[in-house]
Amino acid sequence: AQSVTQPDIHITVSEGASLELRCNYSYGATPYLFWYVQSPGQGLQLLLKYFSGDTLVQGIKGFEAEFKRSQSSFNLRKPSVHWSDAAEYFCAVDPSAGGTSYGKLTFGQGTILTVHP
Amino acid sequence: ETGVTQSPTHLIKTRGQQVTLRCSSQSGHNTVSWYQQALGQGPQFIFQYYREEENGRGNFPPRFSGLQFPNYSSELNVNALELDDSALYLCASSSSTGSNEQFFGPGTRLTVL
Repeated sequence: AQSVTQPDIHITVSEGASLELRCNYSYGATPYLFWYVQSPGQGLQLLLKYFSGDTLVQGIKGFEAEFKRSQSSFNLRKPSVHWSDAAEYFCAVDPSAGGTSYGKLTFGQGTILTVHP
Repeated sequence: ETGVTQSPTHLIKTRGQQVTLRCSSQSGHNTVSWYQQALGQGPQFIFQYYREEENGRGNFPPRFSGLQFPNYSSELNVNALELDDSALYLCASSSSTGSNEQFFGPGTRLTVL
């Protein structure tokens, strides 16, 4: 079945430590891939996206993600976490890669990030 | 340029009632998508509207319906509310000629008692 999986429900890191949030997808073809962040009481903010080309994409707030076709993964990374990064992070896919289902995103379950001082 | 706005912020209804949620899209955007986010879950696609027509629907029953107006704002209507309809309802707007990025509103928190 087509799906998006975020294996880690909750991750805790210390401020200044590195971060990696995992995302795996199960689709026949490479979909468009996105990472969103959601702070309490807020809507979703796009961190970065991958459509094609360079498999390492840079986003806002110092985040980056690497697309690995062989592993069907799109993991989010940040070299040094700040306390303000505490939030919930969602991986999402557009299965049609911009085609007929453009904008109809399928989201993972989310990963809650806690940052210790 | 104003972003996506949604109203109301919070809403409490009882089972069996009907509710209407509203969304104003970002300036220049002609596509609106609605998502339901249950507590502890990722958002689930409900449906999308493009130029006032429904343009795709997720796995939601017909009692979830919508409208898009000429100014591209949108409404989500839910009839015969059930307890499981309690969730955060998110609206996202985008442009069919733009960067494929969807801009999300802050959501409407619906509680069904």
